[in-house]
Amino acid sequence: DAGVIQSPRHEVTEMGQEVTLRCKPISGHNSLFWYRQTMMRGLELLIYFNNNVPIDDSGMPEDRFSAKMPNASFSTLKIQPSEPRDSAVYFCASSLAELYNEQFFGPGTRLTVL
Amino acid sequence: AQKVTQAQTEISVVEKEDVTLDCVYETRDTTYYLFWYKQPPSGELVFLIRRNSFDEQNEISGRYSWNFQKSTSSFNFTITASQVVDSAVYFCALSSGGGADGLTFGKGTHLIIQP
Repeated sequence: DAGVIQSPRHEVTEMGQEVTLRCKPISGHNSLFWYRQTMMRGLELLIYFNNNVPIDDSGMPEDRFSAKMPNASFSTLKIQPSEPRDSAVYFCASSLAELYNEQFFGPGTRLTVL
Repeated sequence: AQKVTQAQTEISVVEKEDVTLDCVYETRDTTYYLFWYKQPPSGELVFLIRRNSFDEQNEISGRYSWNFQKSTSSFNFTITASQVVDSAVYFCALSSGGGADGLTFGKGTHLIIQP
């Protein structure tokens, strides 16, 4: 079975540009999470969805960040405009909420903002 | 607010030694879930174990074992007879709703197994 799919795997962009990260959760999973990993702050939750509805976006750092989940099989995280401090690895994870099981993580997108 | 503390930033041992990674958590919830994830040099996050707050039984899986003690709010991870392939960053995490809730991660422990 395919795991969580993220694209692109690597993104290099210049400050001020719009960046869109994409995630396809595991089929059948109804919870989706976006995390960011940096050396300074470690792994931190940005936002998560249950049944395509955003539940907690308190981790979204600024209004420059937005996330959507238009359907059960696709989510995007957008940064507009991007800044160098946004450089990080962004992970998407999914789970089946009712089973209280683990979250399965995608391979991550390494974002570099110059 | 929830918090996870992994006081050991980096541990280096020689292959075949036993090593314990410490994890201390804080939560006001009576029901909660604890996790360990492994992040090898390739960067992916690999699930190792999940524990809920009602189950304090220790667990063993091959060379891996976990000790959950509510009295000390700890969930420690021991690798017996370590191998070079165990070299990775290990994260302890906490959530209120298992896989249905966001995870609060510790800062991670970088484990180096020297041949």
